[in-house]
Amino acid sequence: QSLLTQPPSVSAAPGQKVTISCSGRRSNIGNNYVSWYQQLPGTAPKLLIFENSDRPSGIPDRFSGSKSGTSATLGITGLQTGDEADYYCGTWDSSLGVYVFGTGTKVTVL
Amino acid sequence: EVQLVESGGGLVQRGGSLRLSCVASGFMFSSHGLNWVRQAPGKGLEWISYISSSGNTIYYADSVKGRFTVSRDNAKNSLFLQLNSLRDEDTAVYYCARDREQMTYWGQGTPVTVSS
Repeated sequence: QSLLTQPPSVSAAPGQKVTISCSGRRSNIGNNYVSWYQQLPGTAPKLLIFENSDRPSGIPDRFSGSKSGTSATLGITGLQTGDEADYYCGTWDSSLGVYVFGTGTKVTVL
Repeated sequence: EVQLVESGGGLVQRGGSLRLSCVASGFMFSSHGLNWVRQAPGKGLEWISYISSSGNTIYYADSVKGRFTVSRDNAKNSLFLQLNSLRDEDTAVYYCARDREQMTYWGQGTPVTVSS
């Protein structure tokens, strides 16, 4: 059972915005940086956001991340069909000494 | 260009062993920590192990502790995962991923199927 909870699915029409929440505890999100990963169907995951809100080179600014307390949020604006994927949050848990991934959220473009 | 290429996966009997490899290129291998992450069919991502750049610091998930062993050979730009006492629930695609604070780069994965 994952220590990080995400909604199973979110959906919106093309051009709209979606947000994905990631809820944890002080020992993980509260005390560590959060990353977000995108996994397109049939492919390996890709880093989307690191250190809560930074984007690697090549990731469009339609993707944004934030963190407050023991929760983090991924936002996707200007939704495109190519954004249909599974999204995972991830961070270290300082108490357990393990890296934890969220339960994953499937984004559907209507 | 950073590349991580896993190999060594396959079909193995319950209780058997397997050794996975991940060969890296395009960056200073000896300067980066590395992870193994797996994904069971139709399931989410599960982190299973981390090894520091020198190999001196190693972490495991409870689900594999005592059965899996991570190691690296910096002279050969290679990361390894020895899988012993394999169980049905170890069936998954196994990925190697670079860096500790975030998984900056990922390989394409190698599938492991444990058969009874």
